[in-house]
Amino acid sequence: EAGVAQSPRYKIIEKRQSVAFWCNPISGHATLYWYQQILGQGPKLLIQFQNNGVVDDSQLPKDRFSAERLKGVDSTLKIQPAKLEDSAVYLCASSLISENTEAFFGQGTRLTVV
Amino acid sequence: SQQGEEDPQALSIQEGENATMNCSYKTSINNLQWYRQNSGRGLVHLILIRSNEREKHSGRLRVTLDTSKKSSSLLITASRAADTASYFCATASYTGRRALTFGSGTRLQVQP
Repeated sequence: EAGVAQSPRYKIIEKRQSVAFWCNPISGHATLYWYQQILGQGPKLLIQFQNNGVVDDSQLPKDRFSAERLKGVDSTLKIQPAKLEDSAVYLCASSLISENTEAFFGQGTRLTVV
Repeated sequence: SQQGEEDPQALSIQEGENATMNCSYKTSINNLQWYRQNSGRGLVHLILIRSNEREKHSGRLRVTLDTSKKSSSLLITASRAADTASYFCATASYTGRRALTFGSGTRLQVQP
């Protein structure tokens, strides 16, 4: 089966610019996650979707970050405007049923804000 | 905030030795999962242990869970150089936040 697809793999932008990341989860997976991973740290959850509803977005900086899951399948994560501290790897993951089943991760998008 | 905290933060061993990593968490959980991350790559699921289980095996991996102490351990037996990676525990809670929440990780270096 195909894995979780993310694009782009790398992105370099200037601060105050906007950027968008795309994720295509494994077909049939109900749960989709976006994580931010800063170098040397563990993944930090930004948002969790169950189908096209939001389960948890308590750590999403809503003044600059937004995310949507189209028709309960693909998802986009947007940052506008970007700050230097947003430099990180953005990981998308999906699981078949919920957080109680294993999550499959994409390769991530490495964002550098200069 | 991080739910799980791994210990040690870094571990260096020789090939063939066993590696033990520990994870402590704060709230009641439905399950605890262990993941591996090779440098610059995504995370790979290793094993899931449910709150009513005490021990689970998968190949060279052994995971234990002590819900009374809110802790788990991951044992890798007969380690190989290819086991060099960061290892993370992740918990799913049934109280408060449902989300799958990761710890800060243990960086394992296996010397050939």
